[in-house]
Amino acid sequence: KQEVTQIPAALSVPEGENLVLNCSFTDSAIYNLQWFRQDPGKGLTSLLLIQSSQREQTSGRLNASLDKSSGRSTLYIAASQPGDSATYLCAVVYAGKSTFGDGTTLTVKP
Amino acid sequence: DTAVSQTPKYLVTQMGNDKSIKCEQNLGHDTMYWYKQDSKKFLKIMFSYNNKELIINETVPNRFSPKSPDKAHLNLHINSLELGDSAVYFCASRETGLAGPDTQYFGPGTRLTVL
Repeated sequence: KQEVTQIPAALSVPEGENLVLNCSFTDSAIYNLQWFRQDPGKGLTSLLLIQSSQREQTSGRLNASLDKSSGRSTLYIAASQPGDSATYLCAVVYAGKSTFGDGTTLTVKP
Repeated sequence: DTAVSQTPKYLVTQMGNDKSIKCEQNLGHDTMYWYKQDSKKFLKIMFSYNNKELIINETVPNRFSPKSPDKAHLNLHINSLELGDSAVYFCASRETGLAGPDTQYFGPGTRLTVL
């Protein structure tokens, strides 16, 4: 059974800092891994999707990496802004099924 | 244009009632999902349909019955609502079925409160 863990559960940083969010999974048999952002009371917005054959994906200030052999993914956020404050979720996909981590709640202070 | 829409956005009801949540996607996707996010923000898959066929059914009480009248719609009917059913229910869609690297698109969620 796939288990997905995200560390830390919460993170508070001053504006402008670079930061890393971590996601680990127990079963390396995955099709892809997806990072989402969830704002309070809102739905999920897809940020980045990494296919199982890829090592990383970049979008603007975001960079996501994937190491299947070690069961790890990281989401790097450069030059953080208050607008980045949200909960970040990673999801591992296999056989059409997504298993989500518990999320990391990020607060970026002005 | 809204890609994945859900109605209603909020639903407050008494224990024991029967209620339905509707989901529609205008992306032309083949696969749709229902997820439940509990008070601890843990998001868990409930059902998945591909071309109107049920392909994933997690351990969900049979009080929950999904129905897919066509590829673009996946509704969730809940019988005999219980306090523990209070949660946010998210609908999502994806282009392909079991395989493929496609992104999931989520609806805005339906916040169900059972009193």
